[in-house]
Formats: sequence, C-alpha cells, structure tokens
Amino acid sequence: KQEVTQIPAALSVPEGENLVLNCSFTDSAIYNLQWFRQDPGKGLTSLLLIQSSQREQTSGRLNASLDKSSGRSTLYIAASQPGDSATYLCAPGVTGGFKTIFGAGTRLFVKA
Amino acid sequence: NAGVTQTPKFQVLKTGQSMTLQCAQDMNHEYMSWYRQDPGMGLRLIHYSVGAGITDQGEVPNGYNVSRSTTEDFPLRLLSAAPSQTSVYFCASRAPGQGARGYGYTFGSGTRLTVV
Repeated sequence: KQEVTQIPAALSVPEGENLVLNCSFTDSAIYNLQWFRQDPGKGLTSLLLIQSSQREQTSGRLNASLDKSSGRSTLYIAASQPGDSATYLCAPGVTGGFKTIFGAGTRLFVKA
Repeated sequence: NAGVTQTPKFQVLKTGQSMTLQCAQDMNHEYMSWYRQDPGMGLRLIHYSVGAGITDQGEVPNGYNVSRSTTEDFPLRLLSAAPSQTSVYFCASRAPGQGARGYGYTFGSGTRLTVV
C-alpha cells in the first residue's frame, strides 16, 4: 500500500524567502504526481502535475521536481508571499491503481 | 465553468438520519472518487468509480453507499448517520490515462457535514 509523507508538517517563513516542501512515497510505480493547494475551509486547487517521465514542472514561482526511483518530490516556492499561506498536499498516482493516496500536507504561513 | 459541483455545501444531520451528497462533473471524466477529510487524518478514500456502472471501495467505505448510473454523476449516500461521520467530504474526478501519461484530479469545493 502506498504511503505518502510530507515534511515539514508546518512551516513559518518571512515574506520573500525561497522554500522547499518535501513529499516522499513508498511505491515508486507511479505514472504522475500532483501538487495541490488548500486554503482554510476550501477545496483543493491543482498547482502542478508532473508525469513520471518528467524531472521538473514549472508554473510561475512554483517548481516541482520528481525523482521516481528514490520516491521523492519537492515543491519549490520562490520569493514567497503572504498569499502563499495555505496547506500544500501531494498525491502520487500509482500505475494501474485508482486508490490515490494523499499526503497529510504541509501547512505554510508566510509572514508579511 | 467546467468542473466538479458538490451539493449541499453545508449540512447538519441527526444521528440515524440518511442523506445523499451530490457530485456532478461536466468534463466527461471516467474516474470519480469520494474522500473525507478530518483534522490530523488527511484525505481518506471512501469509494471510487472507473466508469458508469462500476464502483469499488476505498479505505473507509463502511456506512456509505455509492452508485454510478451516468458518467456525470456520482452520489454518496449515508445510510444511517453517526457522529463519526462528521467531516468534510470531497468529490474528485479525472480522465483515464493515455499510455504512460496520466491526468490529474479536479476537486469539488466540498460538503461540510455535521452529525449531532
């Protein structure tokens, strides 16, 4: 069974700092990995989808990397802003499976 | 706007009552799933469907029923509500993969359910 761990569980940084969120997974037989953002009391918004054949995917100040063989993905946020404050979740999609398991998330707070 | 629509947004039930949470998507996605989200537990899969007429259980299926008569709709039924079912429920959908390429999930905005 896939297990997904996100470290750190919570992070508080000053505005402008670059930061890295980590996601590790035990089953490396994945076809893609998706990063989401969740604001308090809201649903999940997709940020980046990285295919298993890709090493990186970028959208604005966000960059996601994937190392399938080691079971790791990172989400890099450049020049963080207070509006980036949210919980970030990762979800690796297991090949041939439909039971996508989500990490518990990293709660990010960016101080102005 | 294309997407996943969940209704209602909020609901309070008494113990023992039944109700149906609605989920509809207009993206012609074959795969649909129901998750519940609880503090400290993250998102847990309740039931999922890979197409009309096909459903299967996830991690926490007890107390819930699903059916999938059309591609668009995937309702979740609580048979006899219990306080342990107090949670936020999310519906999600995605298209099937093509070869080695997989598609990502689109989530609804959630239903916040309280059972008293």
